[in-house]
Amino acid sequence: DAGVTQSPTHLIKTRGQHVTLRCSPISGHKSVSWYQQVLGQGPQFIFQYYEKEERGRGNFPDRFSARQFPNYSSELNVNALLLGDSALYLCASSLELAQYNEQFFGPGTRLTVL
Amino acid sequence: LAKTTQPISMDSYEGQEVNITCSHNNIATNDYITWYQQFPSQGPRFIIQGYKTKVTNEVASLFIPADRKSSTLSLPRVSLSDTAVYYCLVGEFGGFQKLVFGTGTRLLVSP
Repeated sequence: DAGVTQSPTHLIKTRGQHVTLRCSPISGHKSVSWYQQVLGQGPQFIFQYYEKEERGRGNFPDRFSARQFPNYSSELNVNALLLGDSALYLCASSLELAQYNEQFFGPGTRLTVL
Repeated sequence: LAKTTQPISMDSYEGQEVNITCSHNNIATNDYITWYQQFPSQGPRFIIQGYKTKVTNEVASLFIPADRKSSTLSLPRVSLSDTAVYYCLVGEFGGFQKLVFGTGTRLLVSP
């Protein structure tokens, strides 16, 4: 079975631009979470979606938004990019909302903002 | 969410046992302890989770003392491929799934 997939793998943007990152969860998984990982630090929680509804939001500005589609795939959108948005963006999926340990992470999208 | 403290880095050699200790002094009654492993340019991978005493799986063991204010991840007979960053997380099982990662412990295994 395929794991969590993310696209694109790498992306280069300039300040002020907008970016859309995509995630396909493991088949049958209904929950998708997004994390930002800046070089040298641990991942930081951005959003969680379950059954197409936002169930959690981390401490990120409104420039960050996300949505989940009927097939449970998800998009993360970032507007008005800043240099500090350069990071590895990770998507994680899990079967249900209530299972703390069973989150499966994708390989991430490396975003570079110039 | 309980704050965790881990060593920034550790060095080991192939075949040795590695023990990484995590401090979580303000762990709550409902909190579980979970460890993740992350290789460069990859997402974290779940290793092991426990509540108290000892938990063992095919990859590692987790030792939790009675007061639960710390925990130790034990990796038996490490190999070069165990070189990675290891994160200790503490949080309530169930419900909201926000994982709170610290800076982790960077383990370097040498030949």
